[in-house]
Amino acid sequence: AQSVTQLGSHVSVSEGALVLLRCNYSSSVPPYLFWYVQYPNQGLQLLLKYTSAATLVKGINGFEAEFKKSETSFHLTKPSAHMSDAAEYFCAVGGSYIPTFGRGTSLIVHP
Amino acid sequence: NAGVTQTPKFRVLKTGQSMTLLCAQDMNHEYMYWYRQDPGMGLRLIHYSVGEGTTAKGEVPDGYNVSRLKKQNFLLGLESAAPSQTSVYFCASSYKGPTQPQHFGDGTRLSIL
Repeated sequence: AQSVTQLGSHVSVSEGALVLLRCNYSSSVPPYLFWYVQYPNQGLQLLLKYTSAATLVKGINGFEAEFKKSETSFHLTKPSAHMSDAAEYFCAVGGSYIPTFGRGTSLIVHP
Repeated sequence: NAGVTQTPKFRVLKTGQSMTLLCAQDMNHEYMYWYRQDPGMGLRLIHYSVGEGTTAKGEVPDGYNVSRLKKQNFLLGLESAAPSQTSVYFCASSYKGPTQPQHFGDGTRLSIL
């Protein structure tokens, strides 16, 4: 079995501030982890993926995520938020089962 | 390269009407998925397919049927639409299974009156 928990349905930051979106997972097999971004009225786009090659994964638009097995976490970060980062972010876990998505975190960026 | 294309983009139905949502992918992907997205609920899997001619139930299959007669197409049917099926529907595909990232369409916004 597998599941994903995203802490915080909304995260609000100021432009230029650090972005931290939290994701914890559970999986009975070594997980494959994904972060997706969804802009208004669009489908989901892949930001980055963890496939066991490296624990720190770099994605598009300056985002990165670190896989921590001991904490079963895969938090998404970006050093400096931009207005264009405002969107919905989804964490997902795969592996042996069809990928399971978290409920999403809406990132709000204030000028 | 179109990726994943969903038709129609918007539709309004009356309770009891039927309709079919079409998903087409041009990436030769084996796996295809149908999700619904509702506020605060994230994405919930309706049905999926692991290859041409196969289908399987997801988390919320009731009231929906699917078919995958051709590898590139995955159809989602509502036989008798209900207001509870008002949602945004997303189709996705992946090259292989759960270890691969998914490619999503832009969604179909469906309202049932």
